[in-house]
Amino acid sequence: AQSVTQLDSQVPVFEEAPVELRCNYSSSVSVYLFWYVQYPNQGLQLLLKYLSGSTLVESINGFEAEFNKSQTSFHLRKPSVHISDTAEYFCAVSPNAGNMLTFGGGTRLMVKP
Amino acid sequence: GAGVSQSPRYKVAKRGQDVALRCDPISGHVSLFWYQQALGQGPEFLTYFQNEAQLDKSGLPSDRFFAERPEGSVSTLKIQRTQQEDSAVYLCASSSDWNTEAFFGQGTRLTVV
Repeated sequence: AQSVTQLDSQVPVFEEAPVELRCNYSSSVSVYLFWYVQYPNQGLQLLLKYLSGSTLVESINGFEAEFNKSQTSFHLRKPSVHISDTAEYFCAVSPNAGNMLTFGGGTRLMVKP
Repeated sequence: GAGVSQSPRYKVAKRGQDVALRCDPISGHVSLFWYQQALGQGPEFLTYFQNEAQLDKSGLPSDRFFAERPEGSVSTLKIQRTQQEDSAVYLCASSSDWNTEAFFGQGTRLTVV
């Protein structure tokens, strides 16, 4: 069984400031790690994923996440946020490469001007 | 189609009514998943199909919940005798195979009054 904990339910931040959204997981088997984003009134979209190789993974819109096996964490970071990054972010794990996902409770990122 | 399509987008049901939620997966996708997302929480796995076979229904919360995919394409999630605790967004996702990235629909928001 797997579980995912997102410690912060809401993260308010000013535009152009850096942000970190925290994610910790537990699992009795090896898992793959994902971050999904959900914009208002839209479906979940895959932001980035760690399957193997380099522990630092990046998305096309400037987010990055680092897999830390010893700390069982997969925190999401962005050095400078935009208003358009305002959304709900979900961390998830899976025993395979893309589905049968176990999600965390989500973190609402609120970017203020 | 271009993406996963779910209908209706919104459904209001009186307690005790039966409801049916539809999911049209991406054309050619053999794997289909249903998730339930309660307000303020992350999605939780309900059930999984590979073509027309329901391979995992461990997440269905009660025997009032029933899912089918008779021809291996469109799927329907049926909830009998709806209760207030069934109020949630029901998400459908599809993938080209069991171990590949899943793409999510926009969901159906069910409100039981």
